[in-house]
Amino acid sequence: SQKIEQNSEALNIQEGKTATLTCNYTNYSPAYLQWYRQDPGRGPVFLLLIRENEKEKRKERLKVTFDTTLKQSLFHITASQPADSATYLCALSPPGGGADGLTFGKGTHLIIQP
Amino acid sequence: EAQVTQNPRYLITVTGKKLTVTCSQNMNHEYMSWYRQDPGLGLRQIYYSMNVEVTDKGDVPEGYKVSRKEKRNFPLILESPSPNQTSLYFCASSGGTRLTYEQYFGPGTRLTVT
Repeated sequence: SQKIEQNSEALNIQEGKTATLTCNYTNYSPAYLQWYRQDPGRGPVFLLLIRENEKEKRKERLKVTFDTTLKQSLFHITASQPADSATYLCALSPPGGGADGLTFGKGTHLIIQP
Repeated sequence: EAQVTQNPRYLITVTGKKLTVTCSQNMNHEYMSWYRQDPGLGLRQIYYSMNVEVTDKGDVPEGYKVSRKEKRNFPLILESPSPNQTSLYFCASSGGTRLTYEQYFGPGTRLTVT
């Protein structure tokens, strides 16, 4: 089964700086990788998807990169704001793609300090 | 409004008393799944369903049952709950566009088994 590692410690970033979160995996390369945001006591909310043949994806202040050689995805939030404080989860698809069998990382707790 | 609803949101019960957590989505999604989320363990998939009458086990199916008689509903059944099933449960659905496999999560059900 897939093993996913995300920064287990909370990440403290000053407002206005770029926050960079890491998602590493150890087994098969997924067909795609997703990032979700989760606020305390609420369900995760989808942010971005990147496919195995894509290097980078952007959406407003968010950027995701995917390096299948390093088996790593980086998630960047530029011009970070206190409202960006949340837990961010990466989720990996099975190698064949499809909607079933997503594996989630444990998440990184991001704190943006004013 | 596109949404996934779960009921109840909070439940305290005793060991061995059968319970059902309901999940409903109004997006005509084919795919639905159940996750549990525990501190330090992240989101783990319990069961999923690719369509009506099609269900399959996820990573932690022991002690749970599901059914998919209608496309919109995917109840989670605990026939004989035990304290180790105390957790935060999320239902999710996906479908429609195959481009993002975006999962829509419900608000969560916090279950305590004493």
